[in-house]
Amino acid sequence: DAKTTQPPSMDCAEGRAANLPCNHSTISGNEYVYWYRQIHSQGPQYIIHGLKNNETNEMASLIITEDRKSSTLILPHATLRDTAVYYCIAKNNQAGTALIFGKGTTLSVSS
Amino acid sequence: DGGITQSPKYLFRKEGQNVTLSCEQNLNHDAMYWYRQDPGQGLRLIYYSQIVNDFQKGDIAEGYSVSREKKESFPLTVTSAQKNPTAFYLCASTEEGSNQPQHFGDGTRLSIL
Repeated sequence: DAKTTQPPSMDCAEGRAANLPCNHSTISGNEYVYWYRQIHSQGPQYIIHGLKNNETNEMASLIITEDRKSSTLILPHATLRDTAVYYCIAKNNQAGTALIFGKGTTLSVSS
Repeated sequence: DGGITQSPKYLFRKEGQNVTLSCEQNLNHDAMYWYRQDPGQGLRLIYYSQIVNDFQKGDIAEGYSVSREKKESFPLTVTSAQKNPTAFYLCASTEEGSNQPQHFGDGTRLSIL
C-alpha cells in the first residue's frame, strides 16, 4: 500500500470548514483513498473513500487531485465533536490486506 | 442497527492467565480482522479471517489465537505467551474482495493486574 503523509495537527474554528490534506504520491492505480477518524478510547470511524472522482456523503467531502497524488478531506461545518485524529489510508482490494494507520492529523475544533 | 460489538470494554488479566475477547458482527460480512493499538501508535494486524473455519496470521500473531466457527463471530484469545498484552484491541469487518471499507467495533482495553 502507498505511504501517506499528513500534517501532525490542525486547528479549526467551530462552524468553519476544516480542510485536511493528505499526500500519497506513490499511490497505484488500484488503490483507493480511505479516511477514518478516531476519538480517544473509541474504535476508528469510517468517513469516506474514493478512487479518482470527488466524493461526498453526509459527513464529509473528498477531493482527489487529477494525478491522484494527494487528496483533501473537507468537513464543511466543523463542530466540537469533530475533534479527533484523522487518518488517510491508501489501500487496494487484495484479500486480507490490513489497514495501515499512520500517525494521522489531530484536528482541534474550538469555539 | 447493524454493527460490530466488542466485549468487554475493559478487561484485566492476571499473570499466566488466558483471556478471550469477543467480537460479533451482524453486517453479514465475510472478512473479519483483529488489530492491536498501543498508546500513540497506529494499528497492527494480529489475525484476519476471510471465511468461516479459515484464518490467517497477521504481523504480530505470536501469543494470540483465534477461531471462526460462525460467520458473525471472531473471538480473540490472548494467551499467557503474550508477554506484553496491555493494549487497545480492535475488531473490524468488511465485504472481502471489494473496495468497501472496514468497519470497527468500539474496542476492548486489556490491562495486566
